[in-house]
Amino acid sequence: KQEVTQIPAALSVPEGENLVLNCSFTDSAIYNLQWFRQDPGKGLTSLLLIQSSQREQTSGRLNASLDKSSGRSTLYIAASQPGDSATYLCAVKGFRGGSEKLVFGKGTKLTVNP
Amino acid sequence: EAGVTQFPSHSVIEKGQTVTLRCDPISGHDNLYWYRRVMGKEIKFLLHFVKESKQDESGMPNNRFLAERTGGTYSTLKVQPAELEDSGVYFCASSQAGSSYGYTFGSGTRLTVV
Repeated sequence: KQEVTQIPAALSVPEGENLVLNCSFTDSAIYNLQWFRQDPGKGLTSLLLIQSSQREQTSGRLNASLDKSSGRSTLYIAASQPGDSATYLCAVKGFRGGSEKLVFGKGTKLTVNP
Repeated sequence: EAGVTQFPSHSVIEKGQTVTLRCDPISGHDNLYWYRRVMGKEIKFLLHFVKESKQDESGMPNNRFLAERTGGTYSTLKVQPAELEDSGVYFCASSQAGSSYGYTFGSGTRLTVV
């Protein structure tokens, strides 16, 4: 059974700091890994999608890496801004129980202080 | 392109009543998923449609939950009768056919059973 763990559960940093969010998963048989952002009371916004054959993806100030063999991914946020404050979710896509599905971690709640 | 649309955004009902949630996926997306997040827990899979067929409903909590996808377009999730533990946020997502594609999520329906 796939399990996804995100560390830390919460993080508070001053504006401008570079930071790393961690995600680990127990079953390396995945198709891809997706990082999402969730603002309070809102839906999930996809940030980055990394295929199982890829090592990293970049979008603006965000960089996500994937080490499938060790079951780890990191989301690096450069020069953090107060607008980055949100909950960040990691999810892996695998094939279980007859269909493809995402398995989510509980998320990291990020607060960037001005 | 229009995103995944869910409504209502919020619903407050009494225990024992019936509620129907609706999801309109991105046009052309064969895959449609329902997920749920209850307080303090991670987002969990409920079921997966491929076009109008249920591919996997292993995440459905019990037979009080019924999902349909009419003509392979929009989907409804009915809870009848609702119980207190059904409270949470229900998310719908869609994706294109193929294991390499990521998911696009709707904004969710926040269900409160009182």
